[in-house]
Amino acid sequence: GAVVSQHPSWVICKSGTSVKIECRSLDFQATTMFWYRQFPKQSLMLMATSNEGSKATYEQGVEKDKFLINHASLTLSTLTVTSAHPEDSSFYICSAQLAERETQYFGPGTRLLVL
Amino acid sequence: GQNIDQPTEMTATEGAIVQINCTYQTSGFNGLFWYQQHAGEAPTFLSYNVLDGLEEKGRFSSFLSRSKGYSYLLLKELQMKDSASYLCAVRGASKIIFGSGTRLSIRP
Repeated sequence: GAVVSQHPSWVICKSGTSVKIECRSLDFQATTMFWYRQFPKQSLMLMATSNEGSKATYEQGVEKDKFLINHASLTLSTLTVTSAHPEDSSFYICSAQLAERETQYFGPGTRLLVL
Repeated sequence: GQNIDQPTEMTATEGAIVQINCTYQTSGFNGLFWYQQHAGEAPTFLSYNVLDGLEEKGRFSSFLSRSKGYSYLLLKELQMKDSASYLCAVRGASKIIFGSGTRLSIRP
């Protein structure tokens, strides 16, 4: 149980384009989903917390207009990187949580390379 | 402020035992997690401690002392596949904060 998927696993795009990443909880309903970014040899950095049906809560320093998050259902959250630039190249990982104070389960991650 | 400290790198021998320590200072405490992350992959859940004491799960054990703000992950009978980063994470008052991770290298 507690399987989280992400799609796509790899994205290469041109600078200025937008990229959408999907995160799905496959066998449970996630009240909360989280989006992280991880640069090489660094730890996970929380970008935003997403609750179904409400606006995402962004961490300090994360631009909400650049990283659009939609949590349309209890099993799906999407992250759209708008007008991507090379510095946005990173490993983006989502996680899903069944209920408050429950364990977070991570998706396999999406590696984004912006040329 | 909020801070989680763990060693950057450790090396151990196949078949041996290794202990990875984690100290934390957070606003509120609602549990401590250990995750394993292989290079290029997402973290996978190892353990969760919310009360003081030792939690054992196969070759892996995790210990927590809330009064000392301290935890450790103990790996026994090390295997080459245990080479990975180990992330300590604390759920504070409102969110989970991750440490920078400990890169564990296993030598034959």
